[in-house]
Amino acid sequence: GQQVQQSPASLVLQEGENAELQCNFSSTATQLQWFYQSPGGSLVSLLSNPSGTKHTGRLTSTTVTKERRSSLHISSSQTTDSGTYLCAIDRGVVGQLTFGRGTRLQVYA
Amino acid sequence: DMKVTQMPRYLIKRMGENVLLECGQDMSHETMYWYRQDPGLGLQLIYISYDVDSNSEGDIPKGYRVSRKKREHFSLILDSAKTNQTSVYFCASSLRGPSQNTLYFGAGTRLSVL
Repeated sequence: GQQVQQSPASLVLQEGENAELQCNFSSTATQLQWFYQSPGGSLVSLLSNPSGTKHTGRLTSTTVTKERRSSLHISSSQTTDSGTYLCAIDRGVVGQLTFGRGTRLQVYA
Repeated sequence: DMKVTQMPRYLIKRMGENVLLECGQDMSHETMYWYRQDPGLGLQLIYISYDVDSNSEGDIPKGYRVSRKKREHFSLILDSAKTNQTSVYFCASSLRGPSQNTLYFGAGTRLSVL
């Protein structure tokens, strides 16, 4: 089945530094989404990027479909960015997403 | 206000008891989901519902069943809960499938089966 691997598993940054998160997937994806999970547990969709580059605020996602990889760049990290970032792939079956295990980001002041 | 509400937030049950987890959304979304999240395993899809009484199994449906009698409400039922069903359960909804629309998640229900 579809595999989604995220790296690094965890990342510690000082406030103001940039973060680069990676997502690799094993087969063609029709859709790729990035989610943020707060330390309290709730998930929020950050952006959807099946191919190319997308920006929203301090976030930039670049997906290279042929190479089956996506990255999420967080610029000028803030302590409030701390949490877990999840990558999810739509398998082509309506409604079914496969999630990676996430990258846990900790930003300290 | 776009919201997915899960009840209860925390639940402790004994093995063999029945468990009902409830989820509601106020966005008239067609599609709703139940996921569970375990440490180191990420989110796994239990069931998906495409509309009222139109439910499909996800990756790990064994031991679970669902009910959707109203578009805004989706229940997850554990008949005779087992200790390995201790987990955090998330409900989500989207206008249609996630390929076309954003997923909105509830805050989760933390279930402990003793």
